[in-house]
Amino acid sequence: ILNVEQSPQSLHVQEGDSTNFTCSFPSSNFYALHWYRWETAKSPEALFVMTLNGDEKKKGRISATLNTKEGYSYLYIKGSQPEDSATYLCAFTTSGTYKYIFGTGTRLKVLA
Amino acid sequence: EAQVTQNPRYLITVTGKKLTVTCSQNMNHEYMSWYRQDPGLGLRQIYYSMNVEVTDKGDVPEGYKVSRKEKRNFPLILESPSPNQTSLYFCASSFTYKGLAGAKNTGELFFGEGSRLTVL
Repeated sequence: ILNVEQSPQSLHVQEGDSTNFTCSFPSSNFYALHWYRWETAKSPEALFVMTLNGDEKKKGRISATLNTKEGYSYLYIKGSQPEDSATYLCAFTTSGTYKYIFGTGTRLKVLA
Repeated sequence: EAQVTQNPRYLITVTGKKLTVTCSQNMNHEYMSWYRQDPGLGLRQIYYSMNVEVTDKGDVPEGYKVSRKEKRNFPLILESPSPNQTSLYFCASSFTYKGLAGAKNTGELFFGEGSRLTVL
């Protein structure tokens, strides 16, 4: 059974702090790694989809990197703001299948 | 507005009473799928569909059925709901494209608003 692990499970940071989370996934048969942002009472929204080893993506203060050889991805948030408070999910897809395997998420709380 | 719409959003039912959760998307996506979210667990895939009349099991298909008679709709059917199916359900859709090797692949998921189901 393929497993995706995210760490930490949750964290609290002060407004203005920078932070990062990890997503670990199986490195064999890799196709894509997704990051989603899930705010309370809303539905998950895609942040990034990465497919190539060494990929780096950026959207405003949020960026992500991908290492497919060792099976991990980092999500970085620079200068955290209270509106960044959400659960951040990563999902892994394998080549040739149409299954999405999700991690349990990292719950971020940014304190004003 | 591009969206995935689920109904009902909230439902309380009793064991054994058949129910259907509808899902509709207006983005002409080929791929649609259903997930359940339970505390302490990640989103788990129930069923997915790559096109009309093409469906396949995800990781937790037991107790569920789906159908894909039209491209835009992908209902989730619980023939005889049980309390262990109490959960938050999400429908999602995605576009498909041909990868470098010619195989079909899917992209980012677009999620519906979620349906909170309680089975007593």
